[in-house]
Amino acid sequence: DAGVIQSPRHEVTEMGQEVTLRCKPISGHDYLFWYRQTMMRGLELLIYFNNNVPIDDSGMPEDRFSAKMPNASFSTLKIQPSEPRDSAVYFCASRPHPGQGIYNEQFFGPGTRLTVL
Amino acid sequence: GDSVTQMEGPVTLSEEAFLTINCTYTATGYPSLFWYVQYPGEGLQLLLKATKADDKGSNKGFEATYRKETTSFHLEKGSVQVSDSAVYFCALSDDSSNDYKLSFGAGTTVTVRA
Repeated sequence: DAGVIQSPRHEVTEMGQEVTLRCKPISGHDYLFWYRQTMMRGLELLIYFNNNVPIDDSGMPEDRFSAKMPNASFSTLKIQPSEPRDSAVYFCASRPHPGQGIYNEQFFGPGTRLTVL
Repeated sequence: GDSVTQMEGPVTLSEEAFLTINCTYTATGYPSLFWYVQYPGEGLQLLLKATKADDKGSNKGFEATYRKETTSFHLEKGSVQVSDSAVYFCALSDDSSNDYKLSFGAGTTVTVRA
């Protein structure tokens, strides 16, 4: 398996522009998570999905952020409009349904480094 | 709610030194415990895990034992190498509470000098 795939790996944009980050989870995994990592705040959970349905979006910073999962193999995190304080590394992770053997850990993608100028 | 507290860094060591990173947790159920490692410029990778009390996770010379009596999961390695320089995260997941999020510690940056 190719693991969790994220694109783009790097994104540089100007303040006010729309940014879309993409994630393909590991096939067969029921759960998908979006995280943000910054020096100041560390690793923060933004939102997670179960079977394509958002379960907990309490970590989404504000209305400028939105996430969707239209099918089991694709998710997007959108920021509109973007601001310099959104600059961070955004990670996507997936995990299988609980009870599927010993594999209850999350598998992380390589991340998207976003810079908003 | 569930939480993880790990020792603050940064930690700087010489090659072949002994490494310990302390991690304690708070959970209402029966969590699984994890150590993730993040090498420079990369995503997080699972280093080791333990799913019940007294389990010992081990990988790449690292070990951690799930201690329920002290609610701890300290990471140790007897002889570190330069390639162990990374950020280490302690985390827990409490599947028994039907909450499948990972609660992470703040991360500890480890630098190993030749």
